[in-house]
Amino acid sequence: GAGVSQTPSNKVTEKGKYVELRCDPISGHTALYWYRQSLGQGPEFLIYFQGTGAADDSGLPNDRFFAVRPEGSVSTLKIQRTERGDSAVYLCASSTVLAPQETQYFGPGTRLLVL
Amino acid sequence: SQQGEEDPQALSIQEGENATMNCSYKTSINNLQWYRQNSGRGLVHLILIRSNEREKHSGRLRVTLDTSKKSSSLLITASRAADTASYFCATGPIYNQGGKLIFGQGTELSVKP
Repeated sequence: GAGVSQTPSNKVTEKGKYVELRCDPISGHTALYWYRQSLGQGPEFLIYFQGTGAADDSGLPNDRFFAVRPEGSVSTLKIQRTERGDSAVYLCASSTVLAPQETQYFGPGTRLLVL
Repeated sequence: SQQGEEDPQALSIQEGENATMNCSYKTSINNLQWYRQNSGRGLVHLILIRSNEREKHSGRLRVTLDTSKKSSSLLITASRAADTASYFCATGPIYNQGGKLIFGQGTELSVKP
């Protein structure tokens, strides 16, 4: 079956602009995660959802970042007033259920560049 | 912030040799996982070891976990050029009952044919 997909693959924007990054999880997966990966670093947790609700958003760096998952499937990560420091690869993952032992399946990521 | 430290940061070996990567972490964990990443994009799950396990095997992979030292190692035996990638350890903190993972900085492995 299809894996996790993310669109766009690449996004170039200007400082101060608003961007939306989309994640389509594996069909039937109830848990969805967002991570951010800066160059040369490991992924850094942002937020995860169980169904439609954000179960843990402790990794969001500030209130410019927001994520939704209105129907419990597709999720959108929204970044307002982008800054150059937001440039990174944004990774989405999904798992069957929300549990520590569950394997997370990652998408290819969206590479965001803020000029 | 990331809690994992990986060692070495980069490793270059010849095909057929074994590759060993180490990971240390700070807080108590529920489990530890290893992931592989090609070309800085999507990660692929390799293996998970629970906090009450000491060793686990999967094909050419062998993972050990020492919770007293808060460390883990990943051994890839009989390496192949196709194993060239970045390898990350990720821990599931015991305080978090969801799936939050905390990743290390990774080891960049290069296997020369």
